[in-house]
Amino acid sequence: SQTIHQWPATLVQPVGSPLSLECTVEGTSNPNLYWYRQAAGRGLQLLFYSVGIGQISSEVPQNLSASRPQDRQFILSSKKLLLSDSGFYLCAWSGLRGWTEAFFGQGTRLTVV
Amino acid sequence: DQQVKQNSPSLSVQEGRISILNCDYTNSMFDYFLWYKKYPAEGPTFLISISSIKDKNEDGRFTVFLNKSAKHLSLHIVPSQPGDSAVYFCASNFGNEKLTFGTGTRLTIIP
Repeated sequence: SQTIHQWPATLVQPVGSPLSLECTVEGTSNPNLYWYRQAAGRGLQLLFYSVGIGQISSEVPQNLSASRPQDRQFILSSKKLLLSDSGFYLCAWSGLRGWTEAFFGQGTRLTVV
Repeated sequence: DQQVKQNSPSLSVQEGRISILNCDYTNSMFDYFLWYKKYPAEGPTFLISISSIKDKNEDGRFTVFLNKSAKHLSLHIVPSQPGDSAVYFCASNFGNEKLTFGTGTRLTIIP
């Protein structure tokens, strides 16, 4: 069966520090991968998605970047965190185009202080 | 420009009664609408979906209705149970790989 791992679960970082959140998927090949952020009152905002290794689409201009160095690995990064980067970050995967659902990791609560 | 809208941020329902969660959309191009349930500090979990060729889909206590002319869908939970208390998101893929979510509705079931 497929599983998705996301870590860390919580993170407190000072303003200006770098960020690296990692997500890995097991039990499937060539998944579509996604990073979402849940900010207060904003629902789930799609940040990045990837349909293959090295292929990244950015949805929202921001202080963050994403990379997919391996088929089942998706990384969310920042060189210098801002206070506004605080939020709940979720990684998700889905199957081929025409999929009917996406599966989410447990999320990372990021607090920038 | 929000393509999926949930205009009610919260809803309280008595245990045993019907919960009705609503969602409106602006983009006519979609393959599926999906409903997700989310508890605090956890990832969303899939509940039920409906394709563009249907107007109703039922799974146990959960039924989703789609009104394409009104660009409106709703999730019915009956009977409501305390464990249903969570935030519910509607989402659509709008015919591509991206899943666009609404802002969510917090459902509270009153014992």
